[in-house]
Amino acid sequence: GAVVSQHPSRVICKSGTSVKIECRSLDFQATTMFWYRQFPKQSLMLMATSNEGSKATYEQGVEKDKFLINHASLTLSTLTVTSAHPEDSSFYICSADATAGSYEQYFGPGTRLTVT
Amino acid sequence: DAKTTQPPSMDCAEGRAANLPCNHSTISGNEYVYWYRQIHSQGPQYIIHGLKNNETNEMASLIITEDRKSSTLILPHATLRDTAVYYCIVRVPYNFGNEKLTFGTGTRLTIIP
Repeated sequence: GAVVSQHPSRVICKSGTSVKIECRSLDFQATTMFWYRQFPKQSLMLMATSNEGSKATYEQGVEKDKFLINHASLTLSTLTVTSAHPEDSSFYICSADATAGSYEQYFGPGTRLTVT
Repeated sequence: DAKTTQPPSMDCAEGRAANLPCNHSTISGNEYVYWYRQIHSQGPQYIIHGLKNNETNEMASLIITEDRKSSTLILPHATLRDTAVYYCIVRVPYNFGNEKLTFGTGTRLTIIP
């Protein structure tokens, strides 16, 4: 099946700094990518939907100025956590739909962010 | 997207069939039933999907009731590597819109040696 990668897999940063997470579709073009956040022992929560060449659509309660999403190409979306705080520590996962009518959404391996 | 209800946890003996139920009584006519699983600290993995007919692939079988209000995922010969959280989700196929996946709490399946 199609492959989605994320980089980095783990990152530790200091409070107040910004962190960028990359999500790439390796062997297909992804018009739409999704960003999820998962806290320990909880389910995945959708943060935003990212469409190539346009502004992301954020879920209710997600601060768009704090979680900056850029989807500049059909194979790359980035999530930047700005001015990170310890409560932003979480597992961030991206996913991608390949083409219209596609039945499967492909998930990345996730990025573990720890803010100290 | 319609809401789904799953038992929070299940155990299954290694080598036996694991049957995971899911209720989706408010499913719409154009919504598919999807199953994903998440092994600890990894991204979700697609298992199978179906609309109204039973489906089978190399990983599992999906049985959907005739009224489509519930379904069962069957892992025919469970192994220790099948220990994971299993999510049942209903959605329409992607069509350049926001056909997002909404994850519920899932079923934590533990395979017992």
